[in-house]
Amino acid sequence: QVQLVESGGGVVQPGRSLRLSCGASGFTFSGHAMHWVRQAPGKGLEWVAVISSHATNKYYADSVKGRFTISRDNSMNTVYLQMNSLRREDTAVYFCARRAATDGSLDYWGQGTLVTVSS
Amino acid sequence: SYELTQPPSVSMSPGQTARITCSGDALPTQYGYWYQQKPGQAPLLVIFKDTERPSGIPERFSGSSSGTTVTLTISGVQAEDEADYYCQSANNDSTSWVFGGGTKLTVL
Repeated sequence: QVQLVESGGGVVQPGRSLRLSCGASGFTFSGHAMHWVRQAPGKGLEWVAVISSHATNKYYADSVKGRFTISRDNSMNTVYLQMNSLRREDTAVYFCARRAATDGSLDYWGQGTLVTVSS
Repeated sequence: SYELTQPPSVSMSPGQTARITCSGDALPTQYGYWYQQKPGQAPLLVIFKDTERPSGIPERFSGSSSGTTVTLTISGVQAEDEADYYCQSANNDSTSWVFGGGTKLTVL
């Protein structure tokens, strides 16, 4: 069965960096674009970034552009989110999600990893 | 930046029909998607491509589209349907994805 497992969250000081990972199993990883979506405590979902199946295209939300970088390693079935210059407002649960093969939906999600930006 | 607009809350009694709307300028050319999220859980896809229902999602969940609005309908709301519901779509050139602000469905 499809599984997505995020890791790498934790407490980090403002201005510092953190790298999140999302390990995938149960499907052909290289056949799917992958997204990162975040949810601040008590708030709604916010799309963060997407990477195409072979990393040809990458797009970012304006709120993270220039600070976050999405990447993937298809040999390791893993997608990453490098987060630099972190701000308090980046505090959130970060979910990775698989884009469906034939449409734009996010058909499978991980359980999320919490990032807390605090001094 | 592109936005999708949802009502913040909807309240229904069991057995009633709940309708949650989502408005966005690109919806005439981009599909809408709907997710259900219960506390402490990851979102779950309940409607894709405006009207399609994934396998395993109950038939009482349906979707429709008209112009700049997509609608999630839950026919015969049950207590287990109490959750936050989010619409999602993309901008016209599919370089940015967006979620609506979410609608909290309360089953009275």
